Amino acid sequence: DAMVIQNPRYQVTQFGKPVTLSCSQTLNHNVMYWYQQKSSQAPKLLFHYYDKDFNNEADTPDNFQSRRPNTSFCFLDIRSPGLGDAAMYLCATSREGDGGKTQYFGPGTRLLVL
Amino acid sequence: GQNIDQPTEMTATEGAIVQINCTYQTSGFNGLFWYQQHAGEAPTFLSYNVLDGLEEKGRFSSFLSRSKGYSYLLLKELQMKDSASYLCAVTDSNYQLIWGAGTKLIIKP
Repeated sequence: DAMVIQNPRYQVTQFGKPVTLSCSQTLNHNVMYWYQQKSSQAPKLLFHYYDKDFNNEADTPDNFQSRRPNTSFCFLDIRSPGLGDAAMYLCATSREGDGGKTQYFGPGTRLLVL
Repeated sequence: GQNIDQPTEMTATEGAIVQINCTYQTSGFNGLFWYQQHAGEAPTFLSYNVLDGLEEKGRFSSFLSRSKGYSYLLLKELQMKDSASYLCAVTDSNYQLIWGAGTKLIIKP
């Protein structure tokens, strides 16, 4: 089945210790997104890739970086996690040409910062 | 600014019908989505409306009125597994997806 996969599902890191979250997709979608979602809040878009073009949201902290080495994979790097970065991180994909650009989500990675 | 409004929480009874409303003010409009999100899980796509009217999909229906900036999600024959948050999201003129904070739906036996 075509899908969006995120690893790991749960990640525990220490305050200030770099962490990388990964996302892969078998949908062959050209757009990939990273969202941060805290409890009872809307998903907050951090950045997205349109093919290889990187688009950073204006209010995304510099602490968050991303890489997309190929169509299938995308990584979220948090350089120095703080307690406030504990959240669910959601990866999503969509396809240009799909009229509504429906976004399909992976299962998410829940990040805990100790 | 851009804004999506939906109730924070609703309660309904198993077997009943519930309507979750969403109003929006965005710069342009390229469609409205409803997503379901169970606690601790990712959102899953339910529906997409870009034209006025009602779209029916099994027990779930979604309605859109662009002139009123209004949509609702109608859930029929409620089941306990429908307990979840329901997120309304609108695509603006730049195809940015603007999210509501979600409506937590609690189903009681």
